[in-house]
Amino acid sequence: QVQLVQSGAEVKKPGASVKVSCKASGYPFNRSTMHWVRQAPGQRLAWMGWINAVDGNTKYSQKFQDRVTITRDTSASTAYMELNSLRSEDTAVYYCAVGAFDYWGQGTLVTVSS
Amino acid sequence: DIVMTQTPLSSPVTLGQPASISCRSNQSLVHSDGNTYLSWLQQRPGQPPRLLIYKISNRFSGVPDRFTGSGAGTDFTLKISRVEAEDVGVYYCIQGTQFPRTFGQGTKVEIK
Repeated sequence: QVQLVQSGAEVKKPGASVKVSCKASGYPFNRSTMHWVRQAPGQRLAWMGWINAVDGNTKYSQKFQDRVTITRDTSASTAYMELNSLRSEDTAVYYCAVGAFDYWGQGTLVTVSS
Repeated sequence: DIVMTQTPLSSPVTLGQPASISCRSNQSLVHSDGNTYLSWLQQRPGQPPRLLIYKISNRFSGVPDRFTGSGAGTDFTLKISRVEAEDVGVYYCIQGTQFPRTFGQGTKVEIK
């Protein structure tokens, strides 16, 4: 069955970077796409970006464009989301989701605090 | 960006009674390939979101048939025929027609 397993919770200081991983199994990762979505406390889901695992092509939300980088390692069936210049407003749960949001990771809580 | 607007934002429902959620987009969600990429997600408390419905009306694997999606163009609806206790949570519509993908604000379904 399809599984997306994300890396564990992180606590970061303002200005730092965080890199969240999403390891996929149960489907052909290198023929798929992966989204990253975040959910800040009490807020709606927010789409951050997407990667096509076939060719590494990416698309990003303008809101995060200059701070986020999504990559993949097809040999490890893993996608990554790196967010730079963290601020307190980036405190949120970050999710990966495959394809047309068919399956989701369990979420990774990133806390930004001095 | 396409703006997705859900109503109501909160829906208190009696067990066994129906519930209905509306989702409207500010532009047509019909893709150039002829498909309409409107999906519905359910997020139970403390859980990640889960896909319920894709392309307006297609139930995802394992989704009970009490969930029904309908609509066209810019106007869509999710109906739960008889609400059960396990249906408590927040429901989101999402459009997959254009980048950036955009979500509705979410509708909280709770038991009266």
